[in-house]
Amino acid sequence: DVKVTQSSRYLVKRTGEKVFLECVQDMDHENMFWYRQDPGLGLRLIYFSYDVKMKEKGDIPEGYSVSREKKERFSLILESASTNQTSMYLCASSLGQGIPIQYFGAGTRLSVL
Amino acid sequence: AQSVAQPEDQVNVAEGNPLTVKCTYSVSGNPYLFWYVQYPNRGLQFLLKYITGDNLVKGSYGFEAEFNKSQTSFHLKKPSALVSDSALYFCAAPPGDTGRRALTFGSGTRLQVQP
Repeated sequence: DVKVTQSSRYLVKRTGEKVFLECVQDMDHENMFWYRQDPGLGLRLIYFSYDVKMKEKGDIPEGYSVSREKKERFSLILESASTNQTSMYLCASSLGQGIPIQYFGAGTRLSVL
Repeated sequence: AQSVAQPEDQVNVAEGNPLTVKCTYSVSGNPYLFWYVQYPNRGLQFLLKYITGDNLVKGSYGFEAEFNKSQTSFHLKKPSALVSDSALYFCAAPPGDTGRRALTFGSGTRLQVQP
């Protein structure tokens, strides 16, 4: 079974803090993704990566950055957290070819106070 | 580019009755369509996908989806709902941009199955 593990289920941070969300997958997948989930908006893509050290902006990259130093790990960074970044964050991974299935982690619910 | 829409925020159905969760798509070219389910406090799980071929796609947990090209729809169905099917359901499609391997998701439909 594919396993995508997000390091925290719940996080509470203060405005202005630097926040790191970590995601690890164990299936040697080339692609990794960070989505944000908000009620009524579905999932929106923040960033994705198709290889180590490679990254592409998604639909809502503002206020976020990412890091992929190893194939299995993809980190989302909030440089200076703001209250409008309070949300559920979902990490996913998939194989590199075709139209593959994405496998999701359990999510991190982030509250910025 | 491809996009999907889910016209219903919530669907209520009694246990044992058939259920339908609706999805419509807008694509150029051949559509690739997915259904995912999210149980409470969990990540999304893949249910089924349509790439090409048969218009009726069978997936996990007894779900199936019907691809209808003339109506540009990809509705999720199950003949007999279970209380445990209560969850949030998402329709999704690749955006169609070259090199974009992510998915574009609908806004989600909450399914409530009453005992």
